[in-house]
Amino acid sequence: GAVVSQHPSRVICKSGTSVKIECRSLDFQATTMFWYRQFPKQSLMLMATSNEGSKATYEQGVEKDKFLINHASLTLSTLTVTSAHPEDSSFYICSARGTVGGYTFGSGTRLTVV
Amino acid sequence: DQQVKQNSPSLSVQEGRISILNCDYTNSMFDYFLWYKKYPAEGPTFLISISSIKDKNEDGRFTVFLNKSAKHLSLHIVPSQPGDSAVYFCAASAGGGADGLTFGKGTHLIIQP
Repeated sequence: GAVVSQHPSRVICKSGTSVKIECRSLDFQATTMFWYRQFPKQSLMLMATSNEGSKATYEQGVEKDKFLINHASLTLSTLTVTSAHPEDSSFYICSARGTVGGYTFGSGTRLTVV
Repeated sequence: DQQVKQNSPSLSVQEGRISILNCDYTNSMFDYFLWYKKYPAEGPTFLISISSIKDKNEDGRFTVFLNKSAKHLSLHIVPSQPGDSAVYFCAASAGGGADGLTFGKGTHLIIQP
């Protein structure tokens, strides 16, 4: 079946630094990548949608200059949290959609900003 | 405003019995619904989905029912097994499943031996 590999699974960074999260579709081409985050005891919230080769579309309230998304190829998308602050600490998950449809989720990244 | 609501934060069911998880939605543009199972610090695992043109979809022990007029869907698991203990998320999408998903807050299902 379709697999999405997400790295790193955990990262701790200092306030003010940037963190990059990668998602790779291993056996299919991800034409669309969705990025979500989940705060404790909350639901997964869609942050942005990116189509390969296009600029990402951000949900209301999500700062595009803070959360940089790159989807330069059909198998790789990255989310960079720039100038991270403690309130950015969260669980970030990607979800890839290929030409056959469906949503395949990565295993998530636990970001802790200290 | 929560567009997808799972009003039961937790549900306890005896092994072998039926588990029924409920989900309500408010956005009439939603036309594709999914259920996911999730363990802590992991990504969601897809269970079953249903399109708005159907009212029932079955896959093994999992059945999803959709009542469009009531904007309500439910997931039935029968018989419930200990390995079913997890958090279950209801999710919805517009555009025939092409858009990003809107998730409920989840229901923690506990299967008791």
